[in-house]
Amino acid sequence: EIVLTQSPATLSLSPGERATLSCRASQSVSSYLAWYQQKPGQAPRLLIYDASNRATGIPARFSGSGSGTDFTLTISSLEPEDFAVYYCQYRGNWPPAATFGQGTKLEVK
Amino acid sequence: QVQLVESGGGVVQPGRSLRLSCAASGFTFSSYGMHWVRQAPGKGLEWVAVVSNDGRTTYYADSVKGRFTISRDNSKNTMYLQMNSLRAEDTAVYYCLKEGSSIFVSYFDYWGQGTPATVSS
Repeated sequence: EIVLTQSPATLSLSPGERATLSCRASQSVSSYLAWYQQKPGQAPRLLIYDASNRATGIPARFSGSGSGTDFTLTISSLEPEDFAVYYCQYRGNWPPAATFGQGTKLEVK
Repeated sequence: QVQLVESGGGVVQPGRSLRLSCAASGFTFSSYGMHWVRQAPGKGLEWVAVVSNDGRTTYYADSVKGRFTISRDNSKNTMYLQMNSLRAEDTAVYYCLKEGSSIFVSYFDYWGQGTPATVSS
């Protein structure tokens, strides 16, 4: 079973700053890694898929990188609406179960 | 546009059952695998179950195996989660998710708004 570990658990930054969130897999997941953003009271929404591809409608300030076991979500310049919880996620072909990281809370400093 | 609308959540006593539904629209439902993911209050996301596009293949998290059953009715564009022998630890918001492509992809491009299920005496 693949385990995803996100760090840090909480990241305190100010609007305009650069945010770097990490996700580490317990074994290689190739590029099968996605990132989601969740705001309070809302369902998560897809930001990045296959490690580095922005989903439809996602602003260019969001970018993803990495492969194998180490992945990064970068927000180049934080907007007020970016403060939320971020999850990474993996799913293989078989078994078809998905795994989520425990989340990183991005809060206003 | 794609819409996933969950229903069927509520408050139930331990040991009882609930049946969740997910009504899909805006895409060819029968072409996509579908999943349930849950989120306990104040906690992270936990994957629960998947059903293949044709309903023939299912797979479950160990935490629900033998108690939950996922199914779908492609004629009604609806997916279900039958939850039996419910426990307090099953209390969560349950989300319906669509796979990102009709061929294998690892991500989910649409989520429903969620339906809450509370197991309490």
